[in-house]
Amino acid sequence: QVHLVQSGAEVREPGASVRISCKASGFTFTTYYIHWVRQAPGQGLEWMGVLNPGAPTVIYAQKFQDRVTMARETSTSTVYIEMGSLRSEDTAVYYCTAGEFHGDYSTWGQGTLVTVSS
Amino acid sequence: DIQMTQSPSSLSASVGDRVTITCRASQGIRNYLVWFQQKPGEAPKSLIYAASTLQSGVPSKFSGSGSGTDFTLTISGLQPEDFASYYCHQYSSHPFTFGGGTKVEI
Repeated sequence: QVHLVQSGAEVREPGASVRISCKASGFTFTTYYIHWVRQAPGQGLEWMGVLNPGAPTVIYAQKFQDRVTMARETSTSTVYIEMGSLRSEDTAVYYCTAGEFHGDYSTWGQGTLVTVSS
Repeated sequence: DIQMTQSPSSLSASVGDRVTITCRASQGIRNYLVWFQQKPGEAPKSLIYAASTLQSGVPSKFSGSGSGTDFTLTISGLQPEDFASYYCHQYSSHPFTFGGGTKVEI
């Protein structure tokens, strides 16, 4: 069964960084597209970037290009997103989502709440 | 960036109703569109991809249509579990973008 399990909630001060993990099971995650999407409280969904299968290649939304890194660790079937220079507007639930093909978002993690507050 | 405009932003409906949500792209996206359903406190769920292809396991009361810039999601025979927020999403070109969402309420 395809499953994504994310790390737990985080609280950070403005200017700090945070790393969230997303552990895959039940599928060969190196062959899947893995996206990160966030949702601020009471707001809509925002696409952050995608880790493409294979090599892999990473494509970021330009808005996040300078302070976000996405990577994967094949030995543990885990994908990570790290965001730096956090600000209050980054307070959100962050989701990883995986799919076998372009446009497939069939599997989601449970979400990780990141709170940025002094 | 491609802007995705959903309408309405919210709607009131009754059990058994047929509802239609529209999504307009600021430029052509062929059929590279996904519809998601999201309930409070839950992750989004993919309903339809490629504008009109039902995701595995999704009931046929959900249907999607459109191509280019104009798309619709139709829910037939609304049930209590369908009251949720719905989002369109284009994956035609980077950055991928979402519509603002439509909240379907009783």
